[in-house]
Amino acid sequence: AQKITQTQPGMFVQEKEAVTLDCTYDTSDQSYGLFWYKQPSSGEMIFLIYQGSYDEQNATEGRYSLNFQKARKSANLVISASQLGDSAMYFCAMRIIQGAQKLVFGQGTRLTINP
Amino acid sequence: DGGITQSPKYLFRKEGQNVTLSCEQNLNHDAMYWYRQDPGQGLRLIYYSQIVNDFQKGDIAEGYSVSREKKESFPLTVTSAQKNPTAFYLCASMRTVNTEAFFGQGTRLTVV
Repeated sequence: AQKITQTQPGMFVQEKEAVTLDCTYDTSDQSYGLFWYKQPSSGEMIFLIYQGSYDEQNATEGRYSLNFQKARKSANLVISASQLGDSAMYFCAMRIIQGAQKLVFGQGTRLTINP
Repeated sequence: DGGITQSPKYLFRKEGQNVTLSCEQNLNHDAMYWYRQDPGQGLRLIYYSQIVNDFQKGDIAEGYSVSREKKESFPLTVTSAQKNPTAFYLCASMRTVNTEAFFGQGTRLTVV
């Protein structure tokens, strides 16, 4: 069974600091993808970054990077130089590439950036 | 422009009524998903579909039903059997290969 765990319900960070949001996953499949989404108070889901299980390098997208540690089954999101606009809910998700292709999400982390 | 559209944005339902939430995409995506989100919580999978005329139950399918008669459309019916339907509902679509999931703007359902 697929499972995503985000252990930080809330995080408070000073503006311009870097922040790491934790995500661990559980699957017996070898081929899967990991995603991070941002959800502002408006409710929309904003795609941030994707990492494939066979990708050898960590994914990066601007200020976002994904610290992928396959052996530990972790896929932490790192936001560099945080901004006030980064305040939102952040969700980690996983989809197995073969078979049922369920897309499952973690419980989320609410990130608050303080000025 | 390609995208995924959910309607209505807000929906009010009387107890005992069935209501149907619409989800339409013009991205030519094969896979579509329905999620429920309660305040301050994560997204829980209700139903998903990979191809037309086929769909699978997610983690909280009880009290919900879906259909996938066309590739573009994946409506969700919240039946009277769903005891606590007040929530935010999100629809998403993806290609078969792993790329980002595109989400609709969501439907906020309230039982009155």
